[in-house]
Amino acid sequence: ILNVEQSPQSLHVQEGDSTNFTCSFPSSNFYALHWYRWETAKSPEALFVMTLNGDEKKKGRISATLNTKEGYSYLYIKGSQPEDSATYLCALEGDTPLVFGKGTRLSVIA
Amino acid sequence: DTGVSQNPRHKITKRGQNVTFRCDPISEHNRLYWYRQTLGQGPEFLTYFQNEAQLEKSRLLSDRFSAERPKGSFSTLEIQRTEQGDSAMYLCASSPVGSGNTIYFGEGSWLTVV
Repeated sequence: ILNVEQSPQSLHVQEGDSTNFTCSFPSSNFYALHWYRWETAKSPEALFVMTLNGDEKKKGRISATLNTKEGYSYLYIKGSQPEDSATYLCALEGDTPLVFGKGTRLSVIA
Repeated sequence: DTGVSQNPRHKITKRGQNVTFRCDPISEHNRLYWYRQTLGQGPEFLTYFQNEAQLEKSRLLSDRFSAERPKGSFSTLEIQRTEQGDSAMYLCASSPVGSGNTIYFGEGSWLTVV
C-alpha cells in the first residue's frame, strides 16, 4: 500500500520569499509522482508528473525534483506571490490510482 | 473541451435521503475516477472506470455507495441513505489510459447532510 507524507502541514511566507516543501514516501514502488496545486473553490491543477529518479521539472517560478532512492520529492517556489497561496498536493500513482498526501497549505502574505 | 464537469456543485440533503452526483469527463479520456475529500485530508480514492468497466470498487466506503458509467462517457456516484459522516467534497477526474499521464480533476461536488 502506497503511503505519502507531506511536510510542513502549513506554511506562511512573505511575498518575494522563496520556499520549498517535501513529499516523502517509504517505497519507490510506483509509476509516477504527481504534484497538484489546489486553490479554494477551484479544481486541483496538475503541476508536474515525474517518473524517473533524478527528474527535475520546471513551470515558471515553480520547480520540482524527485529522488526515488531516498524517498522524497521537493517542490520549490521562487519569489512567492500572493497568487501562489493554495494547498499543494503530492500523489503517487501505483497499481491503484493516485494516493494523495494531506497537502501543504501555503499562504503568501503581501 | 472545457475540462471535467461535475454537478451539482453543492447539495444539501437530509439524513436518510439518496443523492446522486454526475461527472462528465474530458471527452477523449477513457479513465474516470471518483475521490472524496474531507477537511484536513488529501483526496481519498473511491473507484475508477476504464470506459464502462469499473476496475476497482473495493475502496467505496460502504455498500451505500455505488458508481456507474453505463456508456463509457459520463459517470454517476450515488449515495443511498445518507449519513452526516458522508458530508464531504466528491471529486471526479479523468485521464487517458496508461501510467504517467496527467489526471485532470473537476471542481468537485460539495455534499452537506443535515
